Amino acid sequence: GQNIDQPTEMTATEGAIVQINCTYQTSGFNGLFWYQQHAGEAPTFLSYNVLDGLEEKGRFSSFLSRSKGYSYLLLKELQMKDSASYLCAVLDSNYQLIWGAGTKLIIKP
Amino acid sequence: GAVVSQHPSWVICKSGTSVKIECRSLDFQATTMFWYRQFPKQSLMLMATSNEGSKATYEQGVEKDKFLINHASLTLSTLTVTSAHPEDSSFYICSARDYQTGDIARYTFGSGTRLTVV
Repeated sequence: GQNIDQPTEMTATEGAIVQINCTYQTSGFNGLFWYQQHAGEAPTFLSYNVLDGLEEKGRFSSFLSRSKGYSYLLLKELQMKDSASYLCAVLDSNYQLIWGAGTKLIIKP
Repeated sequence: GAVVSQHPSWVICKSGTSVKIECRSLDFQATTMFWYRQFPKQSLMLMATSNEGSKATYEQGVEKDKFLINHASLTLSTLTVTSAHPEDSSFYICSARDYQTGDIARYTFGSGTRLTVV
């Protein structure tokens, strides 16, 4: 079956750095997405990785290792507004998005 | 950028009634629209995939007669929850990809509809 694992909840301090991990086992791979979702709102796109390596976009970076079925989202200089759920999703061989359960990130002052 | 307009944002209805949720792609043609449901503290669950001009493809366990999907044009897809019950209360979200751009990453989400059945 297809499976995506990410921690349920993480807590970090304002101004610090946090890494949210995601491991996946899917039928085929056409890329991995990270989305941010605030409570009661729709997900918003953060990043898309299809090749191995690190992609940096401002305070957010995303890493992918296809051989390990592993990705992480790195958030730097955390701000209170970063408190949200972070969803990992994989595009499988049928170009269908398989979603992880999401990681709730709590930022403390 | 691509925008998907979804409404209503929230709706409260009585048990047994039907509710229609609309999603419109504002500046692109949404050949395919994805409909998701999300229960509190859970991830998105794909309900069905609708293609313009054809019948929707429903995921296992989703009742097609209860969740009616119509995708009559390239810019409009609707989800109707028929004979709604309290257990249908959830957050419903649509998503589409602008295939014309060739950018595989351009999945755009509607703003979601919070349905509460009382």
